[in-house]
Amino acid sequence: EAGVAQSPRYKIIEKRQSVAFWCNPISGHATLYWYQQILGQGPKLLIQFQNNGVVDDSQLPKDRFSAERLKGVDSTLKIQPAKLEDSAVYLCASGPEDSTDTQYFGPGTRLTVL
Amino acid sequence: LAKTTQPISMDSYEGQEVNITCSHNNIATNDYITWYQQFPSQGPRFIIQGYKTKVTNEVASLFIPADRKSSTLSLPRVSLSDTAVYYCLVGDMANDMRFGAGTRLTVKP
Repeated sequence: EAGVAQSPRYKIIEKRQSVAFWCNPISGHATLYWYQQILGQGPKLLIQFQNNGVVDDSQLPKDRFSAERLKGVDSTLKIQPAKLEDSAVYLCASGPEDSTDTQYFGPGTRLTVL
Repeated sequence: LAKTTQPISMDSYEGQEVNITCSHNNIATNDYITWYQQFPSQGPRFIIQGYKTKVTNEVASLFIPADRKSSTLSLPRVSLSDTAVYYCLVGDMANDMRFGAGTRLTVKP
């Protein structure tokens, strides 16, 4: 079974630039999550999708971050404009609809904002 | 949200059994307890999940007392490759789950 795919794996941009990350969840998984993990900290949930709909985006900085899930499958996370403090690893995870809370994580995208 | 408290770090030696305890005093009736493992430069990986008593799989055991206010992840005979950060999460259907700082386990030869 293929895992969660993310791209790019690494991205370096300057502050005030825009960046987008892509995630392809495990086939058939209804739930998709985006996390931000700053070095030395645990992952912080940014947004959770259930199929096409947003379940939780309470911790998403909506003035600069946006996310969408196309046709309930792939998802993109965008930052516009980026700030220095956005430097982190952005993790995507997916889970089956009938799971209590098991999440399968992708390898992440390491973003460096200069 | 059920908040969790874990030790920041632990050291062990190869071949020893490691027990990492997580406190979750305000766990709700519908909440499950889930543990994840994270290696450097990788996303977290599911280890084990339980609701009460004891759960065992090929990787670890999870002990949950009757009051469910804490849980203990037990790793038998650890090796150097078990060096990682271990996260304890409490929640229902992932809607209320939050990662804390985790426990950084270092296994020494």
